[in-house]
Amino acid sequence: DAKTTQPTSMDCAEGRAANLPCNHSTISGNEYVYWYRQIHSQGPQYIIHGLKNNETNEMASLIITEDRKSSTLILPHATLRDTAVYYCIVRVPLYSGGGADGLTFGKGTHLIIQP
Amino acid sequence: EAGVVQSPRYKIIEKKQPVAFWCNPISGHNTLYWYLQNLGQGPELLIRYENEEAVDDSQLPKDRFSAERLKGVDSTLKIQPAELGDSAVYLCASTSVPIVGHRLYEQYFGPGTRLTVT
Repeated sequence: DAKTTQPTSMDCAEGRAANLPCNHSTISGNEYVYWYRQIHSQGPQYIIHGLKNNETNEMASLIITEDRKSSTLILPHATLRDTAVYYCIVRVPLYSGGGADGLTFGKGTHLIIQP
Repeated sequence: EAGVVQSPRYKIIEKKQPVAFWCNPISGHNTLYWYLQNLGQGPELLIRYENEEAVDDSQLPKDRFSAERLKGVDSTLKIQPAELGDSAVYLCASTSVPIVGHRLYEQYFGPGTRLTVT
C-alpha cells in the first residue's frame, strides 16, 4: 500500500468546517483513498473512501486532486464529538481485486475541535 | 445491529502472567483481524483470519502470542508470558467479503482491550 503523510495535529472551531489534508504522492492507479477516525477509547471507524471523483456521505466529503497525489477530508460543521485522530489510508479495495488485508495505519492527524 | 464485541475492556496483570482477550465479530463476517495499538501510534495488524484459517500471522510474535478461531466465529488472543512492553490496546475488527458489485468495503472495529503489564 502507498504511504501517506498527514499533519500531526490540527485545531478547528466548533461549527466551522474542518479540512484535513493527506499527501499520497506514490498512490497507484487502482488504489483508493480511505479515511477512518478514532475517537478516544474507541476503535477506528470508517468515514469515507474514493478513487478520483469527489465523494460525500452523511459524515464527510472527500476531495481528491486531479493528479490523485493528495486529498482533503472535509467535516462541514465540526462539533466537539468530532475530536479524534483521523487516518488517511490508500489501498486497493476488495471489490477491485484487492485482498482483505489488514489496514496500514500511520500516526494520523489529531483533530481538536475548540468550543 | 450489534458491533464487534471485545472483552475485557481493561486488564491489569503482572509481568510473566498469562492473559487472554476475546472477540465476537459482527454476525456473518468471515474475516477477523487482531491489531495492536501502542500509545500515540496507529493500529498494527497482528493476525488475520478467513473463517477458521489464519491467513496472515506474519506480524504475530509467536514465541509468546497465540490466537485461535476454532469455529470461525469468536476468536481469542493470548499472551504467555506477558512482558512490560506488551502494554497496549488490542483491537479486534471484522469484515465480510462484499457482494459482487457492492461498493462498500470497510472494517468494523471493536472498542479494544487496554492491557497494562506491571
